[in-house]
Amino acid sequence: AQSVTQLDSQVPVFEEAPVELRCNYSSSVSVYLFWYVQYPNQGLQLLLKYLSGSTLVKGINGFEAEFNKSQTSFHLRKPSVHISDTAEYFCAVRRGGATNKLIFGTGTLLAVQP
Amino acid sequence: DTAVSQTPKYLVTQMGNDKSIKCEQNLGHDTMYWYKQDSKKFLKIMFSYNNKELIINETVPNRFSPKSPDKAHLNLHINSLELGDSAVYFCASSQAWLAGAYQETQYFGPGTRLLVL
Repeated sequence: AQSVTQLDSQVPVFEEAPVELRCNYSSSVSVYLFWYVQYPNQGLQLLLKYLSGSTLVKGINGFEAEFNKSQTSFHLRKPSVHISDTAEYFCAVRRGGATNKLIFGTGTLLAVQP
Repeated sequence: DTAVSQTPKYLVTQMGNDKSIKCEQNLGHDTMYWYKQDSKKFLKIMFSYNNKELIINETVPNRFSPKSPDKAHLNLHINSLELGDSAVYFCASSQAWLAGAYQETQYFGPGTRLLVL
């Protein structure tokens, strides 16, 4: 069975500092990986996704993530955060093959402070 | 021009009542989903429909019954509401199911915040 682990429930960071949000997955088959962002009282919005090809994926709002198969990780990074990046970030995995079922991690709250 | 919309946004009701949440998407997608997000923000899929056909049915109490009158709509009816049903329910849609389009993204609605008293 697949699972997604986001070890950090909350990451406080100062504005303009770099940030990394960690995501590890477990799966015995090929997977597709996603990062979604949820701003307060809103739905989820796709930040970026890895399907195949280059392991470094660039998304919206200056975020990027790197797929590392050997470490089964898909960490999200941003070199300089803004106050407006304060939100909940969810990593999700979908098994390759005949399914569109997303398994979500428990989320990481990115709290950007001035 | 909202892509995925849900009504109502907020729903406060008493235990034992029956309620429905509606979802509509204007993206022309074939597949729709219902997710439940609990108080700890954990998000889990409940159901998925493709062209009005149920394709994912997770371990959900049978008090929850999805209905898809057409591929643009997926409603969720909940009977005999319980305190534990309090959560945010998200609807989502994606373009294709089993169409080799593995890159399909799921688009989420704004959520319905259900509070059972």
